[in-house]
Amino acid sequence: DTEVTQTPKHLVMGMTNKKSLKCEQHMGHRAMYWYKQKAKKPPELMFVYSYEKLSINESVPSRFSPECPNSSLLNLHLHALQPEDSALYLCASSHDPGLATNEQFFGPGTRLTVL
Amino acid sequence: GENVEQHPSTLSVQEGDSAVIKCTYSDSASNYFPWYKQELGKRPQLIIDIRSNVGEKKDQRIAVTLNKTAKHFSLHITETQPEDSAVYFCAAISEDNQFYFGTGTSLTVIP
Repeated sequence: DTEVTQTPKHLVMGMTNKKSLKCEQHMGHRAMYWYKQKAKKPPELMFVYSYEKLSINESVPSRFSPECPNSSLLNLHLHALQPEDSALYLCASSHDPGLATNEQFFGPGTRLTVL
Repeated sequence: GENVEQHPSTLSVQEGDSAVIKCTYSDSASNYFPWYKQELGKRPQLIIDIRSNVGEKKDQRIAVTLNKTAKHFSLHITETQPEDSAVYFCAAISEDNQFYFGTGTSLTVIP
């Protein structure tokens, strides 16, 4: 399996809802990432997990809560989001967090709309 | 940290012409420079990359050049086709292994 998968593809939620985004890879990669992407803008890094431990948190509001249950799975828990959080949420993985030249493989993303 | 600038932000070319997108970076320790293509509603996909010990790399109609002294790198697409239309992002990977993306170039190939 050479893909990063994400579920759901689309999500519409109200500002009081709690939901989770899921990401999975079975390539043996030990670094996993969450990005937020607005239309025609570059992906913005949110979180980095290295060997299942949170290594980088780019000052993301606490209404976004990441979780890495094991080396293949990455979740993003959402609570009390704002309409401006509507975006494409991309998960990515790369082989070895210690390698400086690491290709990142992106998942297809979850299109999130907050009403 | 690293700062990556990308130009132009939009580019329109006639089918069959060449397209060139340029990026500059600030951190001389950065040593890996990938280019991603993102079609509308789809994931970014790596199309070509170059490492700091190489000056140029080519893959069919796509080539990337790197000038480490000037800290800039460029994507060259020859014989453009309508399916090349997409947003292209350059990136630089810093010594701390973080991706820094450019601001993106929206390429339109006019049939």
